[in-house]
Amino acid sequence: GNSVTQMEGPVTLSEEAFLTINCTYTATGYPSLFWYVQYPGEGLQLLLKATKADDKGSNKGFEATYRKETTSFHLEKGSVQVSDSAVYFCALSDRWGGAQKLVFGQGTRLTINP
Amino acid sequence: ETGVTQTPRHLVMGMTNKKSLKCEQHLGHNAMYWYKQSAKKPLELMFVYSLEERVENNSVPSRFSPECPNSSHLFLHLHTLQPEDSALYLCASSQDQLVSYEQYFGPGTRLTVT
Repeated sequence: GNSVTQMEGPVTLSEEAFLTINCTYTATGYPSLFWYVQYPGEGLQLLLKATKADDKGSNKGFEATYRKETTSFHLEKGSVQVSDSAVYFCALSDRWGGAQKLVFGQGTRLTINP
Repeated sequence: ETGVTQTPRHLVMGMTNKKSLKCEQHLGHNAMYWYKQSAKKPLELMFVYSLEERVENNSVPSRFSPECPNSSHLFLHLHTLQPEDSALYLCASSQDQLVSYEQYFGPGTRLTVT
């Protein structure tokens, strides 16, 4: 079945450092790809998405490019802030029993120190 | 504010109690979801309703019973739970027919079973 693998956390960086969180996927067909973020005590929020190969999703300084040849969707940010501390989930779209669903990675906890 | 609300935000219940979790979406979506989030398994999809029809997930114990009376409301009825059911329960909604298929999440209900 379809699956998503994220880099193991936790990840700890200093403010203004460069961030990469790796995400690779296994899928049949051409799924859409997503990054969600979960701040402490909250639900998940969509951070960015890409719906086809070579698309780049971007939001709040974060970027990820849909790479079909390497089946990857790595999340990057050039200069992180303390407020970026959260758990980040990579996900792909799939179908299940006639309905659409998302397949999530295990999440990567990010902590940014001032 | 994502347009998906959940009540209550926190719930403590004994193993013999019966309680219900409520989710409401104000986005005009036609699909709704229940997820369980715990330290052991970050995001487990429990149930999907698409166009108010349930897509079964046979791995969910019968002590969890979903109900979707209309496309805006989703309930999760709980009875005779176990301590290992303590977790954050997240509700989400989406427009099932869209190719880009992003889900919008509520803030979750933090459930503690004593």
